[in-house]
Amino acid sequence: DSGVTQTPKHLITATGQRVTLRCSPRSGDLSVYWYQQSLDQGLQFLIQYYNGEERAKGNILERFSAQQFPDLHSELNLSSLELGDSALYFCASSPHAGAGQETQYFGPGTRLLVL
Amino acid sequence: GENVEQHPSTLSVQEGDSAVIKCTYSDSASNYFPWYKQELGKGPQLIIDIRSNVGEKKDQRIAVTLNKTAKHFSLHITETQPEDSAVYFCAASSANAGKSTFGDGTTLTVKP
Repeated sequence: DSGVTQTPKHLITATGQRVTLRCSPRSGDLSVYWYQQSLDQGLQFLIQYYNGEERAKGNILERFSAQQFPDLHSELNLSSLELGDSALYFCASSPHAGAGQETQYFGPGTRLLVL
Repeated sequence: GENVEQHPSTLSVQEGDSAVIKCTYSDSASNYFPWYKQELGKGPQLIIDIRSNVGEKKDQRIAVTLNKTAKHFSLHITETQPEDSAVYFCAASSANAGKSTFGDGTTLTVKP
């Protein structure tokens, strides 16, 4: 158990809908990262927040947004969902700003299925 | 940006044999190279990492080697066991990039 929690574990929704994925980092970690894992694309970095501020951005679509709250939990919002958004979404955390130089602790993931 | 290529995509070995997974990277500024293991239904977990000032690092049956000149690094697992069966990801990052770039993963199967 990494200490990172993600809810929900599974999510089934329809095209055009909006969903929110939630992540609680390990106790004391200030950075939260979001990744998308599709069958044919491995782990794609979406975005990183550090202590409430956006720190780094990857290939995140404009339909997707994220935020980190004062208690350090984070939410990833996915809107106008398309079939291709079906994937596993992982949250990871690390103690500091990271800059990709720290161990990242991954949560168990949220499996999203868009029908 | 950084590009990481990982080979092979699938690897099957007999229990007790060694397994080697190789990754190449493109950004010469990359200086941190972690390896993650992802078991079925779980998130990736760090198993070993190496920084650019070191050429090799070992932890029991697992070792990682780094060749900065050739821009490639490898994961070596000796005396494989069925519980080593999982998907393994390499990653590379630099302080400038501010993020890790992952390889596409290798599915390792250890046959008893």
